[in-house]
Amino acid sequence: AQSVTQLDSQVPVFEEAPVELRCNYSSSVSVYLFWYVQYPNQGLQLLLKYLSGSTLVESINGFEAEFNKSQTSFHLRKPSVHISDTAEYFCAVDTGGFKTIFGAGTRLFVKA
Amino acid sequence: DTGVSQDPRHKITKRGQNVTFRCDPISEHNRLYWYRQTLGQGPEFLTYFQNEAQLEKSRLLSDRFSAERPKGSFSTLEIQRTEQGDSAMYLCASSLGKGTDTQYFGPGTRLTVL
Repeated sequence: AQSVTQLDSQVPVFEEAPVELRCNYSSSVSVYLFWYVQYPNQGLQLLLKYLSGSTLVESINGFEAEFNKSQTSFHLRKPSVHISDTAEYFCAVDTGGFKTIFGAGTRLFVKA
Repeated sequence: DTGVSQDPRHKITKRGQNVTFRCDPISEHNRLYWYRQTLGQGPEFLTYFQNEAQLEKSRLLSDRFSAERPKGSFSTLEIQRTEQGDSAMYLCASSLGKGTDTQYFGPGTRLTVL
C-alpha cells in the first residue's frame, strides 16, 4: 500500500526567506507525485507534478520539487516566499490506478 | 469552463438523518472523484467514476454511503443514517480522463452531524 508522510504540520517563515516543505512516500511500485495547494477559503489546486523525465519540476509561481527515488522524497522548495504563499500544502502520490493518496498537509504561514 | 461546483456548500443535520450532496464536474471531464477531508488531515479517497461507471470504492465507503453518476455528468453522494463521525468536508474532483491527468477540485461540502 502507498502512504505519504509530510514531516511538518506547520512551517512559519518570514517573507522573502527560503522554505522547504518535506514529503516522503512509500510504495512498492512506480509512482506519480503531486503537490496541491489550498489557499484560505478556496478549493485544492494542483501546484506541480512529477510523472516521468526530469526529476526537478517547477510551478509557475516559483515553487520547485525534486523527485528523489533513493530517498523516496518529493520535497517542495521556494527560494523566497511571499505573504500570498500562506496556504496549506498537500503532497500526494498516485500509482496510476486513479486512487490518489494525500499526506496530512503542511500549513505554511508567511510572516511580514 | 466554470470549474467544479458542489451543492450545498454547508449542511447541518441531526444524527440518523439522510443527506445527499451534488457535484457538477467540468463539462466533458470523463472522470469524477469523491474524497472526504477531516480536520488536520488530507483528503481521503472515497470513490471514482469513469463516465457513469463506478470503478473503485474505498473501504471507507461503508454501506451507508452510496454514490451515483447516472448520465456520466453530475454525481450525487448520499449518506444514510448519518453519524457524528461522518462530519467532514466532502470534496469532488474531475479530470479529462487521459492517463494520470490533473484533477480539478470543487470547493467542497462541509457536513456537520449534530
